[in-house]
Amino acid sequence: QSVLTQPPSASGTPGQRVTISCSGGSSNIGSNVVNWYQQFPGSAPKLLMYGNNQRPSGVPDRFSGSKSGTSASLAISGLQSEDEADYYCAAWDDSLNGVIFGGGTKVTVL
Amino acid sequence: EVQLVESGGGLIQPGGSLRLSCAASGFTVSSNYMSWVRQAPGKGLDWVSILSGGDRTYYADSVKGRFTISRDNSKNTLYLQMNSLRAEDTAVYYCARGTRGYSYGSRYDSWGRGTLVTVSS
Repeated sequence: QSVLTQPPSASGTPGQRVTISCSGGSSNIGSNVVNWYQQFPGSAPKLLMYGNNQRPSGVPDRFSGSKSGTSASLAISGLQSEDEADYYCAAWDDSLNGVIFGGGTKVTVL
Repeated sequence: EVQLVESGGGLIQPGGSLRLSCAASGFTVSSNYMSWVRQAPGKGLDWVSILSGGDRTYYADSVKGRFTISRDNSKNTLYLQMNSLRAEDTAVYYCARGTRGYSYGSRYDSWGRGTLVTVSS
């Protein structure tokens, strides 16, 4: 199955802003919403952002999402140590008739 | 409270079959689209299958023809029948609940803890 393209890693010091990109195509990001998941080692993924830029209840507002054309991004403002995790973007693909995930980005707080 | 509990994983030889179960509570599985998502050791998330709100099923190319997703409304349980298993199917398999009100999509608001499937001789 095709994947959305994410950088394998990103890092920052506490308080910094970190941005994770997610690049796709016309059949997925270009025509459907993007959702983001956060996953800690040994735990199940958790929905972090839905509908490109909507935060579920309980998600801090330092997390924000955006989409433009066939790309999306997740930003973490005011990075905190507890944000150290893996982050995945996901979108429905109209050509594949299925969900595709990005390869994941490991965020490290220096 | 919404809860998803997977079971049925284990060690299986290549070519063998397993059936995974996902017992749901706090909601009705027929009211939401439901999916299986897997994660190989040390790897990223890999979507496997979806049972849509309209009872349509879709599969990743890697499992098409070998895996079957289904549900039993009387038991409020989602299943994944896995046949002709291969070493590359080794992964933690998660059950995930899609958003109510949509037939399909990539928004999963609840996940189980997963069950490990190991395919090895």
